[in-house]
Amino acid sequence: DVKVTQSSRYLVKRTGEKVFLECVQDMDHENMFWYRQDPGLGLRLIYFSYDVKMKEKGDIPEGYSVSREKKERFSLILESASTNQTSMYLCASRADSSHNTIYFGEGSWLTVV
Amino acid sequence: EDQVTQSPEALRLQEGESSSLNCSYTVSGLRGLFWYRQDPGKGPEFLFTLYSAGEEKEKERLKATLTKKESFLHITAPKPEDSATYLCAVHAGSQGNLIFGKGTKLSVKP
Repeated sequence: DVKVTQSSRYLVKRTGEKVFLECVQDMDHENMFWYRQDPGLGLRLIYFSYDVKMKEKGDIPEGYSVSREKKERFSLILESASTNQTSMYLCASRADSSHNTIYFGEGSWLTVV
Repeated sequence: EDQVTQSPEALRLQEGESSSLNCSYTVSGLRGLFWYRQDPGKGPEFLFTLYSAGEEKEKERLKATLTKKESFLHITAPKPEDSATYLCAVHAGSQGNLIFGKGTKLSVKP
């Protein structure tokens, strides 16, 4: 079974703090994704990575950055957290672009106060 | 513009009352349609992938079908444990990112 692990399930951070959300997958997948999910808005793609050290902006990249130094790990960074970044963050991975199925982690609930 | 619309937004059923969830899509170059189940506070769990019109897939009480414009998730004799939000997504375009619908929240009462 594919295992996508998000290191923090629940976080509370203050406005202006730098926040790191970590994600690890154990299936040697090439592609990794970060989404946020908000009521009424559904899942929106923040950033994705096709391979190590590669990254592409998704639909809502503003206020976020990412890092992929190793194949199994994809980090989402909020340089200066704001209250409108309070959300559920979902990491996902996929073998490669020819294999369509994306597998999700359990999610990280971030509250910015 | 590529778009995925799910209906209804919410559906309440009695245990054993069969029904269907709808996912309509407008995309150029469909490369796959996906159904996920999401329980409250958890990440989406993969259910099915459909690739071409006429294709059907089944898992326990769930059956997914695909036409050129929409997909249906049929739930036969549902149980309370089937209560969840069901998400539909399509894989389209050259980069292969998924476009998600907003989901249908299913509640099955005993």
